[in-house]
Amino acid sequence: DAKTTQPPSMDCAEGRAANLPCNHSTISGNEYVYWYRQIHSQGPQYIIHGLKNNETNEMASLIITEDRKSSTLILPHATLRDTAVYYCIALAGGTSYGKLTFGQGTILTVHP
Amino acid sequence: KAGVTQTPRYLIKTRGQQVTLSCSPISGHRSVSWYQQTPGQGLQFLFEYFSETQRNKGNFPGRFSGRQFSNSRSEMNVSTLELGDSALYLCASSLAAAGTEAFFGQGTRLTVV
Repeated sequence: DAKTTQPPSMDCAEGRAANLPCNHSTISGNEYVYWYRQIHSQGPQYIIHGLKNNETNEMASLIITEDRKSSTLILPHATLRDTAVYYCIALAGGTSYGKLTFGQGTILTVHP
Repeated sequence: KAGVTQTPRYLIKTRGQQVTLSCSPISGHRSVSWYQQTPGQGLQFLFEYFSETQRNKGNFPGRFSGRQFSNSRSEMNVSTLELGDSALYLCASSLAAAGTEAFFGQGTRLTVV
């Protein structure tokens, strides 16, 4: 699976959009971009994933650049409960057999 | 529907002992993966089971083993415990394997003294 690079930490004001970048310049054509987050002392939580097109669900939006070398997770209206470590993972379809390779992630702190 | 259930939530063991952790996946999920999380190494993949077969394994010594039952419930075992095995052990279940979202349990916090 391709290596991903994320900033170690980011801050965001409550109510504002949080934009979390991820670089995956060596991603291959069959690798999806997945985002998970881990709130302190809990198990990771799935947020969203995509292959080429932008995706949106009730939690977030995922914007993937046309060359697929980077992506941005957008939390449109961040709340204090969104304070967590956010992980960007590149995952090949059909061959990874459950293996998620977590990096260090981005610690997002949402301030009142 | 019920989420992924891991038992016990907390465990204290002595060096040299062995331990068995349990994971009940979401109903209908056949893939179960295990992870170890420590402050120094972060989240690391241990192994994955699907239909009672181990299909993928991380870089952990043979002291770490697992199994999956016909009802998809899974156990992992660590023998000859070392202080460095103190960690949060997380289980995740999914419908299949790659390409589907994984749902994690709350984890079992193992402390080896």
